[in-house]
Amino acid sequence: GAGVSQSPSNKVTEKGKDVELRCDPISGHTALYWYRQSLGQGLEFLIYFQGNSAPDKSGLPSDRFSAERTGGSVSTLTIQRTQQEDSAVYLCASSLGLSAYEQYFGPGTRLTVT
Amino acid sequence: AQKITQTQPGMFVQEKEAVTLDCTYDTSDPSYGLFWYKQPSSGEMIFLIYQGSYDQQNATEGRYSLNFQKARKSANLVISASQLGDSAMYFCAMRELTGGGNKLTFGTGTQLKVEL
Repeated sequence: GAGVSQSPSNKVTEKGKDVELRCDPISGHTALYWYRQSLGQGLEFLIYFQGNSAPDKSGLPSDRFSAERTGGSVSTLTIQRTQQEDSAVYLCASSLGLSAYEQYFGPGTRLTVT
Repeated sequence: AQKITQTQPGMFVQEKEAVTLDCTYDTSDPSYGLFWYKQPSSGEMIFLIYQGSYDQQNATEGRYSLNFQKARKSANLVISASQLGDSAMYFCAMRELTGGGNKLTFGTGTQLKVEL
C-alpha cells in the first residue's frame, strides 16, 4: 500500500519568504508527526497530531513555525520569514494511533534557505 | 544530559560478519520504548526493531536483535550476517510513555559501512 508521502521533495527559497511543506499520512493513521533533521541539531521532534488536534507543540523552534491538520489526514507545516538556520530535511511520520509504537516515515522535504 | 547516546560515529564490518551498534539512554520514566531506525542514503527512515521497557525478552526481527540491558540503560543493536545493503546510518531512539507524549528522541546516529 501507499506509504507516507511528502511534497515538495526539495524546496529552495530566499531568506524571508514563507514556505509550506505538505505531508500525506498512510490512510487510516490517526497520529501524525513532524521532525527536522539538520547537520547541527540531528533529528529533532517538532510537533505531533492526534486527529486534527496537536497536543504537543513543544518542539516548534519559534513562533515562525506552525502546523495544521485538516480532516484528520493531510498536514501542512508552515515556516514564515524563513532564515538560513531553517535549512534542513523535514520528515513526516504517521502511526495507527498514539498507542501504536511504530512510526512510518516519509521521504522528507529538503529545504534550503539562501 | 543527552537522553540517547550513540558513541560510534562510524563503524566498518566485513560482509557476513555480525556487528553491534551501541546505544545508551537516560530516563526516569518507568515506561518507555526503544527503537532502532535505518536511514540509507536515499534519506527515508526505516523502522527496524522495538523494545518495550517491560518486555522480558530481547526483541528480534530477522537478522536484527536488540540487546536490552535495563540496569545498564543500554539497547545495542546487533546485526547478524551483514550484507552490503546494510550500509546506512542507524539511529537509536526512545519514546517516554508517561511524561514524553508520543515524540521520539533520537541519538546522533552511527554510520555503518559493510565491506567485501
